[in-house]
Amino acid sequence: AQTVTQSQPEMSVQEAETVTLSCTYDTSESNYYLFWYKQPPSRQMILVIRQEAYKQQNATENRFSVNFQKAAKSFSLKISDSQLGDTAMYFCAFMSFFYGGSQGNLIFGKGTKLSVKP
Amino acid sequence: GAVVSQHPSWVICKSGTSVKIECRSLDFQATTMFWYRQFPKQSLMLMATSNEGSKATYEQGVEKDKFLINHASLTLSTLTVTSAHPEDSSFYICSARFLGGFSGDTQYFGPGTRLTVL
Repeated sequence: AQTVTQSQPEMSVQEAETVTLSCTYDTSESNYYLFWYKQPPSRQMILVIRQEAYKQQNATENRFSVNFQKAAKSFSLKISDSQLGDTAMYFCAFMSFFYGGSQGNLIFGKGTKLSVKP
Repeated sequence: GAVVSQHPSWVICKSGTSVKIECRSLDFQATTMFWYRQFPKQSLMLMATSNEGSKATYEQGVEKDKFLINHASLTLSTLTVTSAHPEDSSFYICSARFLGGFSGDTQYFGPGTRLTVL
C-alpha cells in the first residue's frame, strides 16, 4: 500500500522569502502522479501543482515549483516570494496511474500548516 | 475550468433527521467522484468512491447504510447522511475526477459542507 509522509506539521516564513515543504512517499509502482494541494482557512482544497512520475522535468507553476526525486521517493514543494495569501494547510498526495486501472483515489499526507508572516 | 460545486455549504439539523449533500462538476463530466470527511486540523479521510451508474465503494469502517451515495449522472453525486447524530457532525468534502486534456488525471474539490447535528 502506498503511504505519504509530511514530516513538518508546522512551518512559518517571512513575506517575500522562500520556503520548502517536504514530502516523502512509498510505492512499488513505477508510474503515478503526485500533487500538492493547499487548503486555506476557507477550507476549499485548491490544486497547487501536479507531477507525473514518468516526467523527469520538475513541474513549476508561477511561484510554486517542486523538487521531484523519484529514486529517493521525495517530492518537495518550494514557494518563492511568499505572500500572505499562501498561508494555508498544504497536503501532499499520491495517485496511481490511470492506465494501471486506478480508480483515481488520492493518498494524502497529514499536512503542513504554513504561516506567512508580514 | 474544472470547477466543482457543493451544496449546501453549511447545514444544521436535529438528531434523527437525514441530510442530503450535492456535489456537481460544473464544466466537465466526472465518471468518478469521491466523498471525504475532515475533522479539525486533520487530513482528509476518504469515505467512498462513487462511480456513475454503479454502486459506491465504501472504505473500511464507513457505514454504507448511514452514508448513502448516489451518482445518477456524469455531473452529480449525492451523499445522504441518514438518521444523523451529533457524532456525524463534521466537514464533508467531495471531489470529481478529471481525465484528459493537459491536466491529465486530477481530482478537483468542492468547497465542502459543514454539518452540525444538534
